[in-house]
Parts: sequence; structure tokens; C-alpha cells
Amino acid sequence: GAGVSQTPSNKVTEKGKYVELRCDPISGHTALYWYRQSLGQGPEFLIYFQGTGAADDSGLPNDRFFAVRPEGSVSTLKIQRTERGDSAVYLCASSPQGWSNTGELFFGEGSRLTVL
Amino acid sequence: DAKTTQPPSMDCAEGRAANLPCNHSTISGNEYVYWYRQIHSQGPQYIIHGLKNNETNEMASLIITEDRKSSTLILPHATLRDTAVYYCIVRVAVTQGGSEKLVFGKGTKLTVNP
Repeated sequence: GAGVSQTPSNKVTEKGKYVELRCDPISGHTALYWYRQSLGQGPEFLIYFQGTGAADDSGLPNDRFFAVRPEGSVSTLKIQRTERGDSAVYLCASSPQGWSNTGELFFGEGSRLTVL
Repeated sequence: DAKTTQPPSMDCAEGRAANLPCNHSTISGNEYVYWYRQIHSQGPQYIIHGLKNNETNEMASLIITEDRKSSTLILPHATLRDTAVYYCIVRVAVTQGGSEKLVFGKGTKLTVNP
């Protein structure tokens, strides 16, 4: 079966440009997470959706970062005026409702963003 | 959520058991211990979790000390494919008012050698 799909797998952009990263969760999963991972670090939480709404966006570093999930399935992470420090792997994960009892988040392989 | 402490790196010989320690001395009674691993260039993968009792599944065993201040993840017969970063995370179950998110530390880089 299909897992979490993220596109693009690699994105190179110039400082100041706008970037969109897409996440296709596992069908039927209501919860969707975005993390970012810098080299040598563990994944850092950005935002979590339950259905269409952002239940917790406390990890978004500033107002240049925004994420949407308009129909409760696909999500897009949007980064405005990119900076070199935004370079990282952006990971998406999904889980079915009530996942906390099993502890299992299903991660995609990530989108590697490089800001020149 | 309680903080965890893991060694930055460990080595293990192929075919031997890999025992990965995790300290969580400030863990609360309603916090679970979760283990994930991340193979190079892939997203993290769930391994196992537990509250008080030892747990075993097809991937690994989780041994939690009686005082719950530490735990050990055991890979009984490590293979080269087990080379990865292993993350120990403690978190309150959502049903008990905990956050829905998992907070990752730096983990332990396990290298399985031939």
C-alpha cells in the first residue's frame, strides 16, 4: 500500500524566493504533522493538523512559514522569502485517529530544501 | 514531557544483540516511552513503546526499569540494515491530556559492523 508521499524530493531555490512543499498522507489518516530536520539533529516539530484545522502550530519558527490542509488530506507547507537557514529536510507524517494508543506516526522520506 | 538522555553513538557487531540505553529520570507515572529509528535518508520509523511492563514485537524488545527512570531497547540479532539513529522519546498519552506531537532529541547513532 502507498505510504506518505512528499514532493518534491529535492528543491533548490535562491534566497528570497517562495517555496511550496507537498505532503500526501496515507489514505484515511486524519492527523498530519510537519517536521524539519537539520544536519545532525533530530526532527523538529513544526505544525500538526487534525482534519482540516491546525491543532498545534507552536513549532512554526516565524510568520514566513505557513501550512494548509484545505480538504483534510493533502497538505502544503509554504515558505515565503526563503533564507539560507531554512535549508533542511522537511518531513511529513500522518496517523489515524487515536494513534496515541499505538504510538505510531508514519513518516514520508522528506523534501530536501536547499536555499542558495 | 520528560527529557531523555542517550549516548550519541554506539557500535555493535553483526549478529550480536544491540542494547541501546535511555535515561528518563524525570519521567512521570503517565508518560510512555517510545522508540523510533531513522535510517539514512529516510523518515523516522516507529519501533516500539511501553509504559511499565517490558514489551516485545517483531522488531525489538523494550526493557523498562522498575523505577521507570531508564529503559533499554534491544535488537536481538543486529544486522547491517539496523544501522540507524535511534530516538528515545517520552510522552504523555493524549487521552491523559498530553500533546499530540512527538519531540525528538538527537538520538543514538548505532553502527552495526560486519
